Amino acid sequence: KQEVTQIPAALSVPEGENLVLNCSFTDSAIYNLQWFRQDPGKGLTSLLLIQSSQREQTSGRLNASLDKSSGRSTLYIAASQPGDSATYLCAVPQGQYSGAGSYQLTFGKGTKLSVIP
Amino acid sequence: DAGVIQSPRHEVTEMGQEVTLRCKPISGHDYLFWYRQTMMRGLELLIYFNNNVPIDDSGMPEDRFSAKMPNASFSTLKIQPSEPRDSAVYFCASSFTRPDTQYFGPGTRLTVL
Repeated sequence: KQEVTQIPAALSVPEGENLVLNCSFTDSAIYNLQWFRQDPGKGLTSLLLIQSSQREQTSGRLNASLDKSSGRSTLYIAASQPGDSATYLCAVPQGQYSGAGSYQLTFGKGTKLSVIP
Repeated sequence: DAGVIQSPRHEVTEMGQEVTLRCKPISGHDYLFWYRQTMMRGLELLIYFNNNVPIDDSGMPEDRFSAKMPNASFSTLKIQPSEPRDSAVYFCASSFTRPDTQYFGPGTRLTVL
C-alpha cells in the first residue's frame, strides 16, 4: 500500500526566504504527483502536477521536482510571502483511471507553512 | 462557475443521530469524490462515483456510512447512527474526465458530541 510522508509537519520562516518542502512515497510506480495548497477552513487547490516523465514543473515562484527512483518530491518556494502561509500537501495516484479497476489519490498529511512578515 | 458546493458548512450533532452531508459538483463534471480529513489520519478517500455510479467504496469505514448520487448534480453522504469518532472535516471534490484533476469544495466540519 502506498504511503506518503511529509516532513516537517510545520515550518516557520521569515518573509523573503526561499524554502523547500519535502514529500516521500514508498511505491515508485507512479505516473504523476501533485502538490496542493489548503487554506484554513477551505478545500484543497491543486498547485502543480508533475508527470512521471518530467523532472520539474514550474508555476510562478513555485517549482516542484520529482525523483521517482528515490521516491521523493520537493516543492521549492522562492521569495516567500505572508500570503504563502497555508498547508501544503502532496498526493500520488493509485490505480489507472484509464483502465479497469479503481483509482484514488493518496495524500500526505501536509506541511503547515507560516511566513512571518 | 460557483465551484463545488457543500452544505452544511458546520454540523454539530449528538451521538446516535443521523447526519446527512450534501454536495453539488461543478456542472459537467463526471467524477465525484468524498473524503474525510482528521489530524490523526490525514485526508482519506471514502468513495467515488463516475457518471453517478459508485466505483470504489472501499474507504467507507463501516455500514453506518452510505453515499448516493441520484443525479449528476447532487450527492449525499449519510452517517447513521453517528459516533464521536466520526468528527472530522468531510470534503467533496469533482473532476471532468480525468480523476487526477480534482476541484475541492470548502468542506463540512462535523462534530459529534
